[in-house]
Amino acid sequence: QVQLQESGPGLVKPAETLSLTCTVSGYSISSGFYWGWIRQPQGKGLEWIGSIYHSGSVHYSPSLKSRVTISVDTSKNRFSLELKSVTADDTAVYFCARVYPVLQYFDPWGQGIVVTVSS
Amino acid sequence: QSALTQPPSASGSPGQSVTISCTGSRGDIGTYNFVSWYQQHAGKAPKLIIHEVTERPSGVPDRFSGSKSGNTASLTVSGLQAEDEAVYHCSAYAGRDIVIFGGGTRLTVL
Repeated sequence: QVQLQESGPGLVKPAETLSLTCTVSGYSISSGFYWGWIRQPQGKGLEWIGSIYHSGSVHYSPSLKSRVTISVDTSKNRFSLELKSVTADDTAVYFCARVYPVLQYFDPWGQGIVVTVSS
Repeated sequence: QSALTQPPSASGSPGQSVTISCTGSRGDIGTYNFVSWYQQHAGKAPKLIIHEVTERPSGVPDRFSGSKSGNTASLTVSGLQAEDEAVYHCSAYAGRDIVIFGGGTRLTVL
């Protein structure tokens, strides 16, 4: 059974970099699939941030592309998100998920991690 | 690529059917059959309930069904149960390796 778990700081200062990691268990990232990040501001809808393949091929949301880096570490079976120059608008629950290539759906999801941007 | 449009809320009584719409454009829902729906209970992660417009993953009750017409996809929940009360999100492939979501619809079981 595939499981994903987000980890990282729950509080980030404005203008700094948000860094999160998603550790995958029950499946080898190297075996295939894309792996993605999605966020959800309090009381709002979901926003796709980006997705990465085990080879390193990566796709980003156009609205966040200038500030986002997603990377993968197959040796540790995990992938990571970096979001630069954060503001209060980046405060959200951040989810990681497995992404079915071509079909573009997300399953399963991690439980999510709350990240607050505040000084 | 704009977000998909969903009604903010929907409701129905137990046993009734409710349909939630998800409106996109010719460049996403209108072109690709890559529409998915997610159920999210309060404080929980989203759960996939429909993919590729009409396909239900194993374990998802057949009370949940999906469809598409033109630029609009729909999720129908038949035989409403109390446990169906949740927020429902749609997503779609928008081409050029981009995925977009709707704003979510809160379903209330009266």
